Amino acid sequence: QKEVEQDPGPLSVPEGAIVSLNCTYSNSAFQYFMWYRQYSRKGPELLMYTYSSGNKEDGRFTAQVDKSSKYISLFIRDSQPSDSATYLCAMSVDNYGQNFVFGPGTRLSVLP
Amino acid sequence: DAMVIQNPRYQVTQFGKPVTLSCSQTLNHNVMYWYQQKSSQAPKLLFHYYDKDFNNEADTPDNFQSRRPNTSFCFLDIRSPGLGDAAMYLCATSRPGQGAYEQYFGPGTRLTVT
Repeated sequence: QKEVEQDPGPLSVPEGAIVSLNCTYSNSAFQYFMWYRQYSRKGPELLMYTYSSGNKEDGRFTAQVDKSSKYISLFIRDSQPSDSATYLCAMSVDNYGQNFVFGPGTRLSVLP
Repeated sequence: DAMVIQNPRYQVTQFGKPVTLSCSQTLNHNVMYWYQQKSSQAPKLLFHYYDKDFNNEADTPDNFQSRRPNTSFCFLDIRSPGLGDAAMYLCATSRPGQGAYEQYFGPGTRLTVT
């Protein structure tokens, strides 16, 4: 079993749809949970992070962490063509970047 | 603007011919990382520096070396590139203890091996 698993996609949705992206993990020591967005031919950029369990909302984006199930999600409301990118979940044990691991990423296409 | 810069953006080298990729940062971050990313895969950490302390990942091939002459610059040397080393190479920085969960990435160097 890989340490972090993520549906690879690709995922295609119409503009305005609600998108759900998910990751599962095996290491219960992970405390910091991140979502990075990577546009084609660019480096990843941090979209959101969550410490421990709970929800966090930022505009059209909501991150959820369920540590008991070792499951994290990113929801995108009112998706836009500009949201088309690869979304990578990432996790680390502490705030020093120990055991920082990326998921394989899900490629999302939002069609106009 | 503070940023992470990688040069060149595209590099073509021949099988077995040494190549060096460079990264510079204006963020003054302590930690610098090198990742290898192949198509449709997660970035794979090769090594990182905490200041001048070098940390090699256990499965990073000996073919890959790195140098960090100062806080701002970091180099990735591939001594004898093979066809399997063709990939995107990403440099990143972070500030441990102040949000190391946020890594700042450069645009990457796409390496082609012929």
